[in-house]
Amino acid sequence: AQKVTQAQTEISVVEKEDVTLDCVYETRDTTYYLFWYKQPPSGELVFLIRRNSFDEQNEISGRYSWNFQKSTSSFNFTITASQVVDSAVYFCALSETLTQGGSEKLVFGKGTKLTVNP
Amino acid sequence: DTGVSQDPRHKITKRGQNVTFRCDPISEHNRLYWYRQTLGQGPEFLTYFQNEAQLEKSRLLSDRFSAERPKGSFSTLEIQRTEQGDSAMYLCASSIVPGQAYNEQFFGPGTRLTVL
Repeated sequence: AQKVTQAQTEISVVEKEDVTLDCVYETRDTTYYLFWYKQPPSGELVFLIRRNSFDEQNEISGRYSWNFQKSTSSFNFTITASQVVDSAVYFCALSETLTQGGSEKLVFGKGTKLTVNP
Repeated sequence: DTGVSQDPRHKITKRGQNVTFRCDPISEHNRLYWYRQTLGQGPEFLTYFQNEAQLEKSRLLSDRFSAERPKGSFSTLEIQRTEQGDSAMYLCASSIVPGQAYNEQFFGPGTRLTVL
């Protein structure tokens, strides 16, 4: 079965430090998608990135960067020069094909709570 | 605002009562999903609709849970005879049929249920 493991339950850093959130996944599918979501205290899931399994290029968006390595089934997320506003729970997720209708469900990890202290 | 909306945002109920939540997807999105998120966990898939047809249900969805999407637009999730273990955030998401290589799911703000 599909599985996402986020081994880091909580991370605490001081503002301006770089921080990497780890994500390891398991899947039977040959084509799949990986995601990162941010969940601030308000509770709403904020989409950050989607990555296709055929695209192993790393991506950078401002202070955020993602490292996808198929060989190790990892999709790690780095925040450079962290800020207090980055404090949130971050979820890694994997798409799993549903048996009917041609859609996918998302399989989430347990999340990593990031606290950035001033 | 044209995002996914959910109502109510918070619900407190006593054990044994029935509760119903509503989700309004993004207009023209024909796929709708329900997820449940308990404290300290990631969201878990409950069920999925394509138009008005409920195509898949997780084993997490016990007999006390029922979801409907009668006209292929909004959806309701009802929990009968609530138990304390039902306390969770219930998230709704919607997506649109391809077209695209991937049908992104857009999440609503969730309904937080507390069963006393």
